[in-house]
Amino acid sequence: EDKVVQSPLSLVVHEGDTVTLNCSYEVTNFRSLLWYKQEKKAPTFLFMLTSSGIEKKSGRLSSILDKKELFSILNITATQTGDSAVYLCAAPEISGTYKYIFGTGTRLKVLA
Amino acid sequence: ETGVTQTPRHLVMGMTNKKSLKCEQHLGHNAMYWYKQSAKKPLELMFVYNFKEQTENNSVPSRFSPECPNSSHLFLHLHTLQPEDSALYLCASSQPSASRTSYQYFGPGTRLTVT
Repeated sequence: EDKVVQSPLSLVVHEGDTVTLNCSYEVTNFRSLLWYKQEKKAPTFLFMLTSSGIEKKSGRLSSILDKKELFSILNITATQTGDSAVYLCAAPEISGTYKYIFGTGTRLKVLA
Repeated sequence: ETGVTQTPRHLVMGMTNKKSLKCEQHLGHNAMYWYKQSAKKPLELMFVYNFKEQTENNSVPSRFSPECPNSSHLFLHLHTLQPEDSALYLCASSQPSASRTSYQYFGPGTRLTVT
């Protein structure tokens, strides 16, 4: 059965810290991995990763994929209170249903 | 403002009521999804529609009834719900691709409370 596992489940840091969130996956015929940020309501898209070793970067956030070891990390440098959110990792299934397998998320709290 | 809208944003209903949630996407996508998210729990996929056809029903109780009249609109009809059905209901859309390199756009959600 396909699955996506995130760790840690929750994390509390202070402003200015750097955090690393982990996502491992077991997905048949893997094609892509997605990261989302969910604050109060709707998850918002952060990154899509398809190739190993190529870093995607947006401001203080960056992410990389390792297709050999089947994991991805999301890094946030110089964290701010506005980074407090649940970070979700997902991968599309290759079946005909076009559904996505989501991890349980990592709840990040950044203290001032 | 995302390309996926949901109404209502908040809903309080009794266990004997019948209500409907509406989702509309303005992105030209052909796949639409309903998810349930209970407090501090992961997203639970409920239904998937691809080109108006239901392709996934994730063992959802029959008191939830989806309807997809066209690729832009998705409804979730609710009747005789239970208090444990109180949750955030999220709609999403995506453009199906054989390469599986598209991602989902989510609506703002409907916060449902069943009393």
